Parts: sequence; structure tokens; C-alpha cells
Amino acid sequence: QVQLQESGPGLVKPSETLSLTCTVSGGSVNSYYWSWIRQPPGKGLQWIGYIDYSGQTNYNPSLKSRVTISLDTSKNQFSLKLSSVTAADTAVYYCARQRGWGNYEEYFDYWGRGTLVTVSS
Amino acid sequence: SSELTQDPSVSVALGQTVRITCRGDSLRLYYATWYQQKPGQAPLLVIYGERNRPSGIPDRFSGSSSGDTASLTITGAQAEDEADYYCNSRDSSGNHLVFGGGTRLTVL
Repeated sequence: QVQLQESGPGLVKPSETLSLTCTVSGGSVNSYYWSWIRQPPGKGLQWIGYIDYSGQTNYNPSLKSRVTISLDTSKNQFSLKLSSVTAADTAVYYCARQRGWGNYEEYFDYWGRGTLVTVSS
Repeated sequence: SSELTQDPSVSVALGQTVRITCRGDSLRLYYATWYQQKPGQAPLLVIYGERNRPSGIPDRFSGSSSGDTASLTITGAQAEDEADYYCNSRDSSGNHLVFGGGTRLTVL
């Protein structure tokens, strides 16, 4: 059974960089695609972006200038960095496995439990 | 605003059938995926590739599509189906993913 677990600081100061890591167990990051999705309190889901097994990335255009997603195959982890954060970046951040990129494959079949990141001084 | 439009809320009587819709131009070309989210939980995949159910999802959940609208139908809604439902597909450029704004389902 594939399991994902987010980790990282729960509080980040405005203008700083938010950094989160997702540790994958029961499967390898050398296959599939790996995504980050966030949800501001009381609001809907927003796709942040993905990285595939080869390291190729695809980001939400509205966040692209601030987002970096990377892969660490030696630790079976992938990570999110979001720079220059503001209060609007306060959200529950989820990591998820994305089956692939292609019409029958663009779905998230395994999710982490999510971690709340608050941006505040 | 999202490129995929969902009604903010829908209600259904226990045991009745409800349809939750998602509208967007990209749905003419790309399949929709549906997620169920209960309070304090991560989303759960209920339909992928427009009409496929993952193992463990009850067969009362079904998906369909026509033109620019994708639908999630729950036939014989149960109390445990009360949740937020989100559609997901490509954006209008076709190069990125986007979620609908979500529909809160109330089972009366």
C-alpha cells in the first residue's frame, strides 16, 4: 500500500520560502508523477504542480514564478519550495501520486494527510 | 474563478439520485476526474477517466460527460455520501491541471 507523508514547518514568515517534503513508502518515486495540491482554509483545492519520474516538471501558471518541485530518489521523497510567501499562501498542503499524464491517467490515486502551513509574522 | 464551474451546493433526499455537474470548455477534449472530500480528510478519488471507478468505490457512483459538461451521479445517496465533491481536468490551455470550485452535497 502506497503511503505519502508531508513534513515541514507549520509556520512561515511573510516574504520567506515555504519548504515541504513528501516521503513515499510502499512505492518508488522512480515511477509515476508526484504532485502538490493545496487548500486554503474553508476554500477549494488548487493544483500547484507535478514532477515526473525523470524530473520533468509542470507548474500552475499562477504560481510558476515562485514554485520549485524537486525529486530525491535516494530518499524516495519529493519536495516543494514556494518563495516570497504571503498570507494568501496559508493553506493545507497535500502531496499526492499522479498516475500519469494522458487522458486516462491524470488522476491522484494516493494522497498524504495534508499539513497546514500558516504564513504569519 | 476556476475554469471548471461547479454549483456551490446541492442537496438530495436519502436514497434518491443526485447529479453533480462540472462545466468547462476543456471538458470537450479531456476527461474529468472526481474527488470526494469529507471534513478534515484528504480528498478521495471516486471517478477517473470520466467514468471509471477505483476499487472500493461503491457502484452507486458513476460518471458521464456531454459536450462541455461532466457529471457525477450518485444513485441512491447515503448519509455517508455527504461531502464536498471536486472535479479536475485540464485547463483551457490543455497544458495544466485545474480543479472546479467544489460542490457541497447535503443528504437530507
